[in-house]
Order: sequence, then C-alpha cells, then structure tokens
Amino acid sequence: DAGVIQSPRHEVTEMGQEVTLRCKPISGHNSLFWYRQTMMRGLELLIYFNNNVPIDDSGMPEDRFSAKMPNASFSTLKIQPSEPRDSAVYFCASSLLGQGLNQPQHFGDGTRLSIL
Amino acid sequence: GENVEQHPSTLSVQEGDSAVIKCTYSDSASNYFPWYKQELGKRPQLIIDIRSNVGEKKDQRIAVTLNKTAKHFSLHITETQPEDSAVYFCAAASGSGNTGKLIFGQGTTLQVKP
Repeated sequence: DAGVIQSPRHEVTEMGQEVTLRCKPISGHNSLFWYRQTMMRGLELLIYFNNNVPIDDSGMPEDRFSAKMPNASFSTLKIQPSEPRDSAVYFCASSLLGQGLNQPQHFGDGTRLSIL
Repeated sequence: GENVEQHPSTLSVQEGDSAVIKCTYSDSASNYFPWYKQELGKRPQLIIDIRSNVGEKKDQRIAVTLNKTAKHFSLHITETQPEDSAVYFCAAASGSGNTGKLIFGQGTTLQVKP
C-alpha cells in the first residue's frame, strides 16, 4: 500500500517567493497533520484536519502560512511570502480517526525546504 | 494543554546493552502513547504504541511501560544494535475527545557504539 506521499521532496527558493507543499494521505485515512521539524524547535504541529475540516491551527506561526484540504486525498501547505527562517523539514502525516480510539499517525518522507 | 517531557536528550550505550528512554505527560485524560524512531534524513516511523488500558507491551527487543498514576511511560530496548542508533520520540494523544492530535516529546538521540 502507498504511504503518505509528499511533494516536492526538496525545495530551494529565494525569500519572498510563494512556496506550496503538497500531501496525499493514505487512502481511507480521515485525519491529516502538518508538522515542521527543525533542530532548535523539534517536531511542531502546525495544523490538522479531521474529515477535511481544519480543527486546530494554533501551531501555524504566522499569517504567511495557510493550509487547505479541498478533499479527502489532497492537502496543501502554503507559505507566502517565504522567509529564510521558514527553512525546515515539513512533514505530513495521516491517521484513521474513529470508533473512539486514537490511531497511529503515519508520516510522509517530508519536504526539505530551504529559503535563501 | 498537554505537555510531554522526554529524557534524556542524548543516550550512548555499548552494543548489547539496554537503553531506556522516559517520558512524562501532563494530561491525565491522555489514553494513547506511541513511540517513533527517526533515522537521519528519514521520516519518523512508528515502532510501538500502548493504550491506557494496559501497563506493558512488548515487541521483540522493544517494550513500553505505562504508569498512569505517575503519568509516565518508558521505552526499553534490549540487546541494542548499531542499527538502533536514531532519534526516538515519545508522544501522547491530547486530552479527551480522541481528536487524533499527538503531542511529541523533544526527542532522544540514541547512539549505539559497536
């Protein structure tokens, strides 16, 4: 079975440019999570969706960050305008929510973002 | 909100020795506790998890214990091998409602010396 698929794997761009990261969750999963990982701050939850609805975006650092989930099989994380301090690895994860039990989150391979 | 503290931040052991990583959580309503292993440049991968209705779970060389009263849980790796070297993260499911949200610890870098 295909896991969580993220694209691109690497992105290098200049500050001020718009960056769009993409994620396809595991088929059948109804929860999707966006994380940012840096050496200094570790693994931070940015936002998550349940059944395509954003539930908690308190981790989104600034208004420059936005995320959407137009359908059950696709989500985007957008940064506009990008800044050097946004450089990090961005992970998407998905899980199956339901039946009153928390389920494991499965991570994609991440997008390594470098803002010059 | 939920807070998860993880110790130690780094751990170095000789091959064949055991390694123990400990985590504490703050929300007594947390009921799910997964552990992830992240190798350099790779994604976090689930290695074992435990729910609040059991106190211990084993899978070959790894085991997890949970003390709900004290609100802490631990990862135990026996007979460590060089390929166990990685960063390990504990996590706790946040509060009630089973939203699926996990709060992660800060990570432990495990080095297994051959």
